[in-house]
Amino acid sequence: GAVVSQHPSRVICKSGTSVKIECRSLDFQATTMFWYRQFPKQSLMLMATSNEGSKATYEQGVEKDKFLINHASLTLSTLTVTSAHPEDSSFYICSARAAGGRQGLDEKLFFGSGTQLSVL
Amino acid sequence: DAKTTQPTSMDCAEGRAANLPCNHSTISGNEYVYWYRQIHSQGPQYIIHGLKNNETNEMASLIITEDRKSSTLILPHATLRDTAVYYCIVRAGNMLTFGGGTRLMVKP
Repeated sequence: GAVVSQHPSRVICKSGTSVKIECRSLDFQATTMFWYRQFPKQSLMLMATSNEGSKATYEQGVEKDKFLINHASLTLSTLTVTSAHPEDSSFYICSARAAGGRQGLDEKLFFGSGTQLSVL
Repeated sequence: DAKTTQPTSMDCAEGRAANLPCNHSTISGNEYVYWYRQIHSQGPQYIIHGLKNNETNEMASLIITEDRKSSTLILPHATLRDTAVYYCIVRAGNMLTFGGGTRLMVKP
């Protein structure tokens, strides 16, 4: 199946710093990428949807100025957690949807391996 | 997306079939049923999906009832590496909305 690479897999940072997480589709072009957040023992929660070349759409309650998303190419989307605080510590996961493939609901989404962010 | 209901946890003996149920009584005609699993500290892994016909692939089988209000994921010969959280998702739009999932524990 298609491969989505997410980097870094783990990051520890000091409170107040910014952290960038990269999500790459390695063998396909992704028109749409999704960013999820997962707290311990909880399910994945969608944060935002990013379409290549346009602004991301954020879910209710997600601060767009804090979680900056850039999807400048068909193979790369980045999530930057700005001025990170301990409450931002979480597992962040990206997902990608292929361009030009099957349309609609009969289409797999592929996930990255996740990034564990720990803010001290 | 239509809401799904899954048992919180299940156990299965190694080598036996694991049958994971999912209720989705409010599913609409064009909504697909997707199954993903998540092994601890990893991203979700696609397993299988279907609309109304039963589906089978190298990982699992998906049985969807005729009224489409429920489905069962079958892992024919569970191994210890199948221990994970299994998510049943009814997809109506671009994204996938995850519920609580079933924590499957495969025991030796």
